Amino acid sequence: AQTVTQSQPEMSVQEAETVTLSCTYDTSESDYYLFWYKQPPSRQMILVIRQEAYKQQNATENRFSVNFQKAAKSFSLKISDSQLGDAAMYFCAYRSYLRYSGGGADGLTFGKGTHLIIQP
Amino acid sequence: DVKVTQSSRYLVKRTGEKVFLECVQDMDHENMFWYRQDPGLGLRLIYFSYDVKMKEKGDIPEGYSVSREKKERFSLILESASTNQTSMYLCASSFRGPNTGELFFGEGSRLTVL
Repeated sequence: AQTVTQSQPEMSVQEAETVTLSCTYDTSESDYYLFWYKQPPSRQMILVIRQEAYKQQNATENRFSVNFQKAAKSFSLKISDSQLGDAAMYFCAYRSYLRYSGGGADGLTFGKGTHLIIQP
Repeated sequence: DVKVTQSSRYLVKRTGEKVFLECVQDMDHENMFWYRQDPGLGLRLIYFSYDVKMKEKGDIPEGYSVSREKKERFSLILESASTNQTSMYLCASSFRGPNTGELFFGEGSRLTVL
């Protein structure tokens, strides 16, 4: 079974600075997807960024970028020019293929999360 | 706009009560999921469904059951609520098949069992 580890329960950064959230994972698969989800205090999880394992190029979405190291099984999230609205729980997730007798369904394995605090 | 709606944001129940948590999605997704979220433990999969009337156990199914009678609706049932089921419950949905695997989440249902 796949596991996802986020070693930083909490991180704090000054507004406008850059912060990096760490994530490592363990899998025997060679093809998979990785995600970072954000959960603001309103509690609805939203997708921040996704990375396909077969792509060598790191994904970017505006101020958010990842550093994907496939051999090291590492997938960190960098937030540039941090804003107050970035304050949230951030979850790293791995796309697993959950098998059943007649087919399959896509599900995610999540890390335990990193609480990001933005200091004004 | 994508929408996953959970019927109750906050519930308070007593030990032994039967509890229903409802989830509806309007995106015609085949897959639906119930996760439980606890501080320091992240999200853990309880059950998922890949089609109407089909269900599969996740990582922590004990004490829970599910029902999917219609494609858009996925219910989580606690037959006899216990205090250790006090938690935040998140419903999610996704398309099935070769895709990016993105899940769309509801706002969550916070259940307190006294």
